[in-house]
Amino acid sequence: EVQLVESGGGLVKRGGSLRLSCVASGFIFNTYYMNWVRQAPGKGLEWVASISSTSDYIFYADSQKGRFTVSRDNAKNSVYLQMNSLRVEDTAVYFCARESAGSGRNFDYWGQGTLVTVSS
Amino acid sequence: QLVLTQSPSASASLGASVKLTCTLSSGHSRNAIAWHQQQPEKGPRYLMKLNSDGSHSKGAGIPDRFSGSSSGAERYLTISRLQSEDEADFYCQGWDTGGQVVFGGGTKLTVL
Repeated sequence: EVQLVESGGGLVKRGGSLRLSCVASGFIFNTYYMNWVRQAPGKGLEWVASISSTSDYIFYADSQKGRFTVSRDNAKNSVYLQMNSLRVEDTAVYFCARESAGSGRNFDYWGQGTLVTVSS
Repeated sequence: QLVLTQSPSASASLGASVKLTCTLSSGHSRNAIAWHQQQPEKGPRYLMKLNSDGSHSKGAGIPDRFSGSSSGAERYLTISRLQSEDEADFYCQGWDTGGQVVFGGGTKLTVL
């Protein structure tokens, strides 16, 4: 069974940093692209970043470039999101999602999310 | 730039069918998309990948009541024999050739 479990969320002050983790199980982790998606309270889904299976290709949403860094450790079946210079508007639930192995970039499995709250 | 447009809300009666729409922006009418369901207080769940010709591949365990179809720049998700647990937010997801992924604004489905 595919499982994605996020952690690392919490309360942080504006300007602070936080590192989110997502541990994967139930599939061969080092063959899949992984993604981070966030959802502000009462709002829709917003894609944040993608990382290829070997970290060769990394993409960020244009609105996130420069403050967030995605990385992975295939030996630990984990993907990370380092978030710096946090803003109040970064408050959201952050989900990790697996990208399908087939053609296209549909996300076929999601975690339950971890809540990040940025206070002013 | 790829933009996906969804109606904010939809409603249908228990046992009936409903068709949700995701419209792709100009120049992207041949793009595939994915549909996701998010029940209240839960993480999203992948429903299917939907191609421009209407062919689709569903996620693990997705009931036959969920189906997809396409027409031009529109991608549809049809839910038949509506159940109370189908009440949820539905999002379409797209991607472009430059590495960007986008979501539609979501449709909140109410089962009456």
